[in-house]
Amino acid sequence: DVKVTQSSRYLVKRTGEKVFLECVQDMDHENMFWYRQDPGLGLRLIYFSYDVKMKEKGDIPEGYSVSREKKERFSLILESASTNQTSMYLCASSNTGLWEKLFFGSGTQLSVL
Amino acid sequence: DQQVKQNSPSLSVQEGRISILNCDYTNSMFDYFLWYKKYPAEGPTFLISISSIKDKNEDGRFTVFLNKSAKHLSLHIVPSQPGDSAVYFCAASARIQGGSEKLVFGKGTKLTVNP
Repeated sequence: DVKVTQSSRYLVKRTGEKVFLECVQDMDHENMFWYRQDPGLGLRLIYFSYDVKMKEKGDIPEGYSVSREKKERFSLILESASTNQTSMYLCASSNTGLWEKLFFGSGTQLSVL
Repeated sequence: DQQVKQNSPSLSVQEGRISILNCDYTNSMFDYFLWYKKYPAEGPTFLISISSIKDKNEDGRFTVFLNKSAKHLSLHIVPSQPGDSAVYFCAASARIQGGSEKLVFGKGTKLTVNP
């Protein structure tokens, strides 16, 4: 069974902290994505990567960075967490052939106090 | 500018009846459309998709209809079951050569199927 695993289900951090959200997929997928989901706003793309060490900005990259050192792992970094980054963060992966068919992790609910 | 719109935040139907979820898009370059389903505390899962060369795609109880001239697609669930209660997201992409891999999602419609 295909799997995308996000390291934490819930996280509580303080304003100004550096936050790492980790995501691992076991499907040998080329593409990986980070979305955030907020009530009334749907899913918004933060960053994506189509290959190791490659990254592309999504629609809302400000305040975030990413790292993809290995094919199976895609990390989202909040350099200095702010309260407006409180959200549900969803990692996803997909194959190049049908890249729109995303496999999502269960999400990380991040609260920044 | 919202390129994919799901104008109904919620929908409630009776078990056994048809559920119709609607989605409109504004970008005429979109040529591939998908529906995802999301249960609470889980990530979205792919449900069904349709290419712009078709106007209908069916998979069991789920059918997606595409009206390109109206820039409108709909998801029909027949018959609806309580287990279908979830948030449904419409998504679209532009599979043009050189296009970037960005899937645009709507805001979602929460479907409740009452027993």
